[in-house]
Amino acid sequence: EVQLVQSGAEVKKPGESLKISCKGSGYSFSNNWIGWVRQMPGKGLEWMGSIYPGDSDSRYSPSFQGQVTISADKSISTAYLQWSSLKASDTAMYYCARQSIPGADVYNWFDFWGQGTLVTVSS
Amino acid sequence: DIVMTQSPDSLAVSLGERATISCKSGQSVLYRSKNKNYLAWYQQKPGQPPKLLIYWASTRESGVPDRFSGSGSGTDFTLTISSLQAEDVAVYYCQQYYTTPLTFGGGTKVEIK
Repeated sequence: EVQLVQSGAEVKKPGESLKISCKGSGYSFSNNWIGWVRQMPGKGLEWMGSIYPGDSDSRYSPSFQGQVTISADKSISTAYLQWSSLKASDTAMYYCARQSIPGADVYNWFDFWGQGTLVTVSS
Repeated sequence: DIVMTQSPDSLAVSLGERATISCKSGQSVLYRSKNKNYLAWYQQKPGQPPKLLIYWASTRESGVPDRFSGSGSGTDFTLTISSLQAEDVAVYYCQQYYTTPLTFGGGTKVEIK
């Protein structure tokens, strides 16, 4: 059974750094792109970027390029999303999701989703 | 960026009746050489992550009830729930994967009338 298990909720202050994780199981983690999707409170879904764990090739949405870093460690089947300096506007639910077609480029849909990590940034 | 526009923002449908959601893309998401539309639909219930319903615009994901169907091509797409059930109350999103940035529609909230 394919599963993506995300790290727990975080409460941070503006300016602090943060790294959240997404551990995959039940499939060959290296072979499928993993995407990160933001959902701000009461709002819709926004793709932030994706990474191919096999070679760490990554793609970012221009809206998030330079604001976050996506990485992966295929040896422990885990993808990461990190911030160096959080802002209050980063308060949101963050989902990781597997992109469906193994070995393909980033141009495919999300078939399995993590449970989400709620990040709250407040002074 | 390809802008995905969904309508309506919300709709209320009686149990057993049909619900229809529209999704329009700012440019075609039809990959002509493959004859495939790079369009997916998701369902998100309160407090849950999104769930994949449809990909390639009309291919139902395994396990998704056949009352859910997708149609359309190019820039105009539709998600239809043929006979609304109570468990279908959710927000529905379309998403294009034709090009980066991958983009989602704003969502359509489906409720029971």
